Amino acid sequence: AQSVTQLGSHVSVSEGALVLLRCNYSSSVPPYLFWYVQYPNQGLQLLLKYTTGATLVKGINGFEAEFKKSETSFHLTKPSAHMSDAAEYFCAVSGRKAAGNKLTFGGGTRVLVKP
Amino acid sequence: DAGVIQSPRHEVTEMGQEVTLRCKPISGHDYLFWYRQTMMRGLELLIYFNNNVPIDDSGMPEDRFSAKMPNASFSTLKIQPSEPRDSAVYFCASSGLSRETQYFGPGTRLLVL
Repeated sequence: AQSVTQLGSHVSVSEGALVLLRCNYSSSVPPYLFWYVQYPNQGLQLLLKYTTGATLVKGINGFEAEFKKSETSFHLTKPSAHMSDAAEYFCAVSGRKAAGNKLTFGGGTRVLVKP
Repeated sequence: DAGVIQSPRHEVTEMGQEVTLRCKPISGHDYLFWYRQTMMRGLELLIYFNNNVPIDDSGMPEDRFSAKMPNASFSTLKIQPSEPRDSAVYFCASSGLSRETQYFGPGTRLLVL
């Protein structure tokens, strides 16, 4: 069984400040890891993913995340927040089955960006 | 690419009525997923299909819910009869050659009165 824990359901940052969203996972097999973003009244959009290889993954909109196996973590960061980053962010995990991958999502973290 | 298309975008109905949600996956994708999003339970996988065949429906909450995929370009999620606790946003997602990446539709916001 897999599970995802996102620390903090709400995060408030100032424009230009560092954005740090925490994600820890539990998986009995080496996982695939994802961050999705959801803007108000929209579907989920993939920000970035880790499958294999380099543990520091860069995504869209200046976001990056680092897979740390020893800490079972996949925290999301952005050096400088922009007003357009206000959204809800979801961390997700799936197994490495060739025949389809079921996503298990964390509870989400809503980001508020203050001017 | 048009992306995943869902209809309707909003649905308001009365308890006891039948509700049908529709999804058109991205052309060429052979996996289709139905999710439900609520404040209480977050994002939950309801069912997923591979090549139009249901693979795992363990997330379907009860017999009132059913899903079909008659062809590669169309799927439905039906609730009959609907109840107020079914109120949620229902998302459809599809994946293809890049198996691990799912592409989500805009969702259907369902309100059952």
